[in-house]
Amino acid sequence: KAGVTQTPRYLIKTRGQQVTLSCSPISGHRSVSWYQQTPGQGLQFLFEYFSETQRNKGNFPGRFSGRQFSNSRSEMNVSTLELGDSALYLCASSFDRFEAFFGQGTRLTVV
Amino acid sequence: AQSVAQPEDQVNVAEGNPLTVKCTYSVSGNPYLFWYVQYPNRGLQFLLKYITGDNLVKGSYGFEAEFNKSQTSFHLKKPSALVSDSALYFCAVRDNTDSWGKLQFGAGTQVVVTP
Repeated sequence: KAGVTQTPRYLIKTRGQQVTLSCSPISGHRSVSWYQQTPGQGLQFLFEYFSETQRNKGNFPGRFSGRQFSNSRSEMNVSTLELGDSALYLCASSFDRFEAFFGQGTRLTVV
Repeated sequence: AQSVAQPEDQVNVAEGNPLTVKCTYSVSGNPYLFWYVQYPNRGLQFLLKYITGDNLVKGSYGFEAEFNKSQTSFHLKKPSALVSDSALYFCAVRDNTDSWGKLQFGAGTQVVVTP
């Protein structure tokens, strides 16, 4: 069974640009969550989608947005990139309330 | 509000010795507790979870954790550490009424196992 797939693995963007990250959950998982990991702030919850609806949102500015498609694949978008957005972005998928499985992450570097 | 504390930034242990990584938590409802491990430049690997039932939970790679409700702790243990266990370990908690994917993570504990 394939795991959670995140693309791309690495990304370099310039300040002011926007970026879109993709996450394909494990087959049959309808919940997809996104996290930002930085050395200073650790792992922080961004948002969760379930059946194409945003179910929960963390404390991030509106520049961070996401969506989920009918096949449960999810994308997150960051507009007007800042240097502080450099981080490892992790996606997790869940089939039920008892486990969340994480992808390998996308390493975003903003220069 | 939920919170997780991992009081040790780093734990050093010799190979073959017992390994313990500490975690305490705070939630308003009943806790769902998790341990994950992260290797460099990789995502999080699920180790084990506590949902309900026995306080001693067994997980992957010989790890186990003990849930202690009175002390609000969920310490990770391994009887005999391996050099390959060297990694970053995260404890996470979710209130049982919260949405599935919203986990509150601790700051992480770096485990270093020396030969």
